[in-house]
Amino acid sequence: DGGITQSPKYLFRKEGQNVTLSCEQNLNHDAMYWYRQDPGQGLRLIYYSQIVNDFQKGDIAEGYSVSREKKESFPLTVTSAQKNPTAFYLCASSGLDRALGYTFGSGTRLTVV
Amino acid sequence: DAKTTQPTSMDCAEGRAANLPCNHSTISGNEYVYWYRQIHSQGPQYIIHGLKNNETNEMASLIITEDRKSSTLILPHATLRDTAVYYCIVHGSSNTGKLIFGQGTTLQVKP
Repeated sequence: DGGITQSPKYLFRKEGQNVTLSCEQNLNHDAMYWYRQDPGQGLRLIYYSQIVNDFQKGDIAEGYSVSREKKESFPLTVTSAQKNPTAFYLCASSGLDRALGYTFGSGTRLTVV
Repeated sequence: DAKTTQPTSMDCAEGRAANLPCNHSTISGNEYVYWYRQIHSQGPQYIIHGLKNNETNEMASLIITEDRKSSTLILPHATLRDTAVYYCIVHGSSNTGKLIFGQGTTLQVKP
């Protein structure tokens, strides 16, 4: 079955360390997105990519970086510059016809210890 | 992207219809209305979307007013597993692709 896989499900990081969250999709979707969710809040867009080798900042890109070297993969790096990285991170993808909706992964919960 | 307004929370008795309203008074002509739901600690799940006609699928029905300024998601026979946060989003099919999430409505289905 097609879908989006995020790994790991839970991740612990020491302060000052960079960490990379994985997102892989086999839906042949062109566009991919990273969202952050804090407790009791809605989703906020970090970065998005509409095509391979291209990506744009979302509303809260500071302290994060991404790459899009393959259509199937859109990893997110949380850098030490992100002051409050503890959150639930969600990856999503969509096809060219966005009227068909978005598919979300199951999320990665990052905790800074 | 147009913004939406939803009630913060709603309760519904199990087996009854759950009607979740959404206001989107600034919606543009090419923007769709999407509904997603998020069960605790999971990724959002697509439910349904529509442009101007009412829509129905195996999960729910979507009623859009004639002026398109508001809509209602209907879960015809709510179950305990329908307890979730429901997000109403308006989004055009030709723009950058950003989904803007509000706070959503927390639906609590009670036995």
